[in-house]
Amino acid sequence: DIQMTQSPSSLSASVGDRVTITCQASQDIKSYLNWYQQQPGKAPKLLIYDASNLETGVPSRFSGSGSGTDFTFTISSLQPEDIARYYCQQYDNLPPTFGGGTKVEIK
Amino acid sequence: EVHLLESGGGLVQPGGSLRLSCAASGFTLSNYAMSWVRQAPGKGLEWVSSIRGTDGATYYADSVRGRFTIARDNSKNTLYLQMNSLRAEDTAVYYCAKDRIVTTLSAQFDDWGQGTLVTVSS
Repeated sequence: DIQMTQSPSSLSASVGDRVTITCQASQDIKSYLNWYQQQPGKAPKLLIYDASNLETGVPSRFSGSGSGTDFTFTISSLQPEDIARYYCQQYDNLPPTFGGGTKVEIK
Repeated sequence: EVHLLESGGGLVQPGGSLRLSCAASGFTLSNYAMSWVRQAPGKGLEWVSSIRGTDGATYYADSVRGRFTIARDNSKNTLYLQMNSLRAEDTAVYYCAKDRIVTTLSAQFDDWGQGTLVTVSS
């Protein structure tokens, strides 16, 4: 199985800050990577697919980049409603696997 | 608008069985692969099983293979997960999720239900 390593596991930032989360795959997954947001008590929501494509309706402050084994997820200007846990997920091979998640809090 | 509604969760003893259902609306179930993803309390996301839209081929995580069975009833637009020989480590919220890509199995999940809690305990 492909292992997905996310960092940091948690972060605290101020409203308006730029926030960056990284995800590393244990092998080359090309651009087969998604990013999900899970707000407290809610189901996950797809934000970014194919490493860098914004899902319809998702604010443009969210972005993703990378290919191969190293990926980055960015919130350009953190908003209060962005408080959530964020997960990367590879779909290059079955089983699809998720990173451990990054908890984003407001400072 | 796509809507997924899970049901069937609850408390069950180790070794017991449960059947989860996921009622789909806003799209034709047979056109899409569907999956179950679970989340143990306070933990991350774990893929459990998928069923392909085109031919009904099924796929399972090693941790549930031989104990869980995924199925769908296209006439009812409903997805199922039959869970047998349940263990304490199966305790989780179970989400059904729709594949982002029509017909194939891409294992990208663009719509999720609200989840149903399964608790395995004596």
